[in-house]
Amino acid sequence: RKEVEQDPGPFNVPEGATVAFNCTYSNSASQSFFWYRQDCRKEPKLLMSVYSSGNEDGRFTAQLNRASQYISLLIRDSKLSDSATYLCVVLPSGTYKYIFGTGTRLKVLA
Amino acid sequence: DADVTQTPRNRITKTGKRIMLECSQTKGHDRMYWYRQDPGLGLRLIYYSFDVKDINKGEISDGYSVSRQAQAKFSLSLESAIPNQTALYFCATGTDKLGDQPQHFGDGTRLSIL
Repeated sequence: RKEVEQDPGPFNVPEGATVAFNCTYSNSASQSFFWYRQDCRKEPKLLMSVYSSGNEDGRFTAQLNRASQYISLLIRDSKLSDSATYLCVVLPSGTYKYIFGTGTRLKVLA
Repeated sequence: DADVTQTPRNRITKTGKRIMLECSQTKGHDRMYWYRQDPGLGLRLIYYSFDVKDINKGEISDGYSVSRQAQAKFSLSLESAIPNQTALYFCATGTDKLGDQPQHFGDGTRLSIL
């Protein structure tokens, strides 16, 4: 089993739709979780950190479910500019070696 | 100016050549990382460094070496480049701050080995 797993997609959604991605992780001792956005052949950029209490930033909401070992990202009112690959990143406790998922590709259609 | 700067941005070279990719940062972070990204495989860790005297191998260090010349500089070398090292390479930094510890990436280096 991969340490961090994501559905590769693509998720094709119309503008204005709500879309959600999940990411599962295998190390129950993981301490920090992040969602990054990556545009084609560009560097990953931090979208948001994921806290135990959840985190919301505008149209984006991230949730952590430690019991089931997954994190989620919800995007409301999708924009064309949201089209990108979304990377799930997990940082296990006691280490500074970040574990990256392979990403979920989102296409928002006009 | 970018906080994490990689040079060169693009490089095409031949098999057997020695190549150095450079990374510098102005974030003042102690931790620096080198990753490569291949389609469908995500980012894979090559080497990481916690300070100038602390260098660690990642999951795919064979064929690569690194040098941490200063807190702000971390270079990656391919001693004798081979075609399967063709990839997109990223440098990243990380902070000591407890809790929320996201990484910050450079713009990447597109490397092609012919």
